[in-house]
Amino acid sequence: SQTIHQWPATLVQPVGSPLSLECTVEGTSNPNLYWYRQAAGRGLQLLFYSVGIGQISSEVPQNLSASRPQDRQFILSSKKLLLSDSGFYLCAWAISGRMNTEAFFGQGTRLTVV
Amino acid sequence: KNQVEQSPQSLIILEGKNCTLQCNYTVSPFSNLRWYKQDTGRGPVSLTIMTFSENTKSNGRYTATLDADTKQSSLHITASQLSDSASYICVVTPKLTGGGNKLTFGTGTQLKVEL
Repeated sequence: SQTIHQWPATLVQPVGSPLSLECTVEGTSNPNLYWYRQAAGRGLQLLFYSVGIGQISSEVPQNLSASRPQDRQFILSSKKLLLSDSGFYLCAWAISGRMNTEAFFGQGTRLTVV
Repeated sequence: KNQVEQSPQSLIILEGKNCTLQCNYTVSPFSNLRWYKQDTGRGPVSLTIMTFSENTKSNGRYTATLDADTKQSSLHITASQLSDSASYICVVTPKLTGGGNKLTFGTGTQLKVEL
């Protein structure tokens, strides 16, 4: 069966510090991978998605970047965090090439920038 | 811009009662619509999925309906339980070519079930 791992679960970082959130998927090959952010009281906002190694599409211009160094690894990064980067970050995967496939989410990372 | 709007924003009901959550969308062309349940501090979990040709889909006490003509969906919860307390999110997948499966999320309805 497929599983998705996302860590850490919670993170408190000072303004200006770097960020690295990691997400890995097991039990499937060539998945579509996604990073979402959920601000307090807001819906999920798609930040990045990837359909393959090294292929990253950005949905919203911002202080963050993403990388996919391996087929089942997706990393969300920032060189200098801003207060507005605080939120709940979710990684998700979906079967590639199938429009009706479900998106499976990780448990999320609660990031607080102080 | 593709949008998904949900109502009400929040809802409080007594245990055992029924409730209906609404979702209006403007995503077009449209591939499918899902309802997700998100417990606080957790990732969303899919409840139902419907393609544009389906009108209703049930999953236990959850029944989703879809009217593709009016671009409206509803999620009906029967005989609510305390464990139903969560955020319910309507998610629409546009019909795209070239992969990506980009999902458009509603802001969710926060449901609280009380004794």
